[in-house]
Amino acid sequence: AAGVIQSPRHLIKEKRETATLKCYPIPRHDTVYWYQQGPGQDPQFLISFYEKMQSDKGSIPDRFSAQQFSDYHSELNMSSLELGDSALYFCASSLPGRGYNEQFFGPGTRLTVL
Amino acid sequence: AQSVTQLDSQVPVFEEAPVELRCNYSSSVSVYLFWYVQYPNQGLQLLLKYLSGSTLVESINGFEAEFNKSQTSFHLRKPSVHISDTAEYFCAVSVRGTGFQKLVFGTGTRLLVSP
Repeated sequence: AAGVIQSPRHLIKEKRETATLKCYPIPRHDTVYWYQQGPGQDPQFLISFYEKMQSDKGSIPDRFSAQQFSDYHSELNMSSLELGDSALYFCASSLPGRGYNEQFFGPGTRLTVL
Repeated sequence: AQSVTQLDSQVPVFEEAPVELRCNYSSSVSVYLFWYVQYPNQGLQLLLKYLSGSTLVESINGFEAEFNKSQTSFHLRKPSVHISDTAEYFCAVSVRGTGFQKLVFGTGTRLLVSP
């Protein structure tokens, strides 16, 4: 079965550079979530999209922005990178509708800022 | 707001011994409850979930968790662990019925199974 695809899997950047992380949800899933997991920490919700509109916002820095495109893939853009941005970034997708919709997680993008 | 507390950051246990990973949550509204497992250098996998109905839920690999509303707990148990169960386990909640259910995670419990 198709899973959530994230690219790149690994990314190394210098301080003050920019990075773009991509997420391709499971087919027919129109809701996308982004989470950030720092070293040894729990995943923290950043932002989510439903039908290309932002549906919820968590602890996402102003230096970060994200969007969902017409094909439902999503991109997380990160500017003025800081050492503290080094983390594992997960994307998850789910089906639409009220009630419970299971989130399926991608393998993550490991971002290292030097 | 919702919060999740996992009191044990690390639980060492011998193979074939029983184990319990504790999870308590706080929320002013009804929530769904989850346990996720993360193997080294891998993503998050849903282990089991409580949505409604029977308060005891089971996974296909022998784990079970019981929702206790009065104690606001959702402890994870396994009667006999294997070496392959070594991983990080996260308890999580999401608000019931909103349709857009961000997950709020606990800080995780590292299960270390030794021979």
